[in-house]
Amino acid sequence: NAGVTQTPKFRVLKTGQSMTLLCAQDMNHEYMYWYRQDPGMGLRLIHYSVGEGTTAKGEVPDGYNVSRLKKQNFLLGLESAAPSQTSVYFCASTQDRVAQPQHFGDGTRLSIL
Amino acid sequence: AQSVTQLDSQVPVFEEAPVELRCNYSSSVSVYLFWYVQYPNQGLQLLLKYLSGSTLVKSINGFEAEFNKSQTSFHLRKPSVHISDTAEYFCAVSEGFGNEKLTFGTGTRLTIIP
Repeated sequence: NAGVTQTPKFRVLKTGQSMTLLCAQDMNHEYMYWYRQDPGMGLRLIHYSVGEGTTAKGEVPDGYNVSRLKKQNFLLGLESAAPSQTSVYFCASTQDRVAQPQHFGDGTRLSIL
Repeated sequence: AQSVTQLDSQVPVFEEAPVELRCNYSSSVSVYLFWYVQYPNQGLQLLLKYLSGSTLVKSINGFEAEFNKSQTSFHLRKPSVHISDTAEYFCAVSEGFGNEKLTFGTGTRLTIIP
């Protein structure tokens, strides 16, 4: 049982390039989330999904897009990367939207030069 | 809107000494409270949670936290820390009545000194 798997683990991009981060969960969870973690700022929610085919904006959605075409996958896209998007990105999932804990992947470390 | 404050960004503690990591929250409705732990180069893992009932909740590795509604706090404590407790600890709050989103504090880095 893999839990939440993030791909890739590391990536370096040049300003203006695009890329997609993949999150896959094998727990049949309904809810999935993308966060970014920056020093001294904790985790901030970028986008989330409450089920297959749905997405919603979180606290810091600008510059990112997401898609949830399949229940087990949640993709985070950067259309035109900027240095301000250098961060560690975490995906999480949960079955119960309030009371149950979120299960996190190990993160994707992204550097934008 | 809900918010979480972790006043201590770093806490150094000698091995086998007690520790308290502070967490205060603000919310206009009832809340669910969580402590997550992050070991180096890993994602977050749930340490313990308060949903309802007893205000004192405990984890399997000796940590405990107490929900104090009047002081809007959910401090994390351990009577005797070990080297393996070195990690970053995040307090998080989720409002009741259907709020899907967790709001995290900025984290407290716990360093255990041998």
